[in-house]
Amino acid sequence: DAKTTQPTSMDCAEGRAANLPCNHSTISGNEYVYWYRQIHSQGPQYIIHGLKNNETNEMASLIITEDRKSSTLILPHATLRDTAVYYCIVRYGRGSARQLTFGSGTQLTVLP
Amino acid sequence: DAGVTQSPTHLIKTRGQQVTLRCSPKSGHDTVSWYQQALGQGPQFIFQYYEEEERQRGNFPDRFSGHQFPNYSSELNVNALLLGDSALYLCASSYLGTSYEQYFGPGTRLTVT
Repeated sequence: DAKTTQPTSMDCAEGRAANLPCNHSTISGNEYVYWYRQIHSQGPQYIIHGLKNNETNEMASLIITEDRKSSTLILPHATLRDTAVYYCIVRYGRGSARQLTFGSGTQLTVLP
Repeated sequence: DAGVTQSPTHLIKTRGQQVTLRCSPKSGHDTVSWYQQALGQGPQFIFQYYEEEERQRGNFPDRFSGHQFPNYSSELNVNALLLGDSALYLCASSYLGTSYEQYFGPGTRLTVT
């Protein structure tokens, strides 16, 4: 699985959009980009995933660049409950057969 | 739906002892994966069970072993505990066939003294 690079930490004002970047310059054509988050003292929570098209669900949007070397997770209206560590993971295949390889993630702090 | 459940919530053991952690997957899921998360780090994959067999394994010593039962629940066993085994142990379940996400339990906090 390709390696990812994320900023260590970011702040965001409550109610504003939070944009979390991720670099995955060695991604291969059949590798998907996944985002999980981990609120303090809880297990990680799946947010969204994508291959090459932009994706949106009830939690967030995922924007993947055309060359697929980077992506951005967007929380459109951040709330205090969005404070968490966000992990960008690149993984082969769409199914859940392969393990998730977590990096250090980005600590997002939403400020009141 | 209760989601993924793990027991116990917290556990304190002494070096050299053995420990068993338990996980019940989300309803409808047939695959269980275990992760170890040291303080301040991301989770690290230990192994995955499907059809009662270990299918994948991360870079962990043989002291770490597991089991999956016919009802898809799973156990993680760690022998000869070391101080460095102190961590949050997370269980994740999924449906191998079509699901793309893993659902994580709240974890078991193991402290080795």
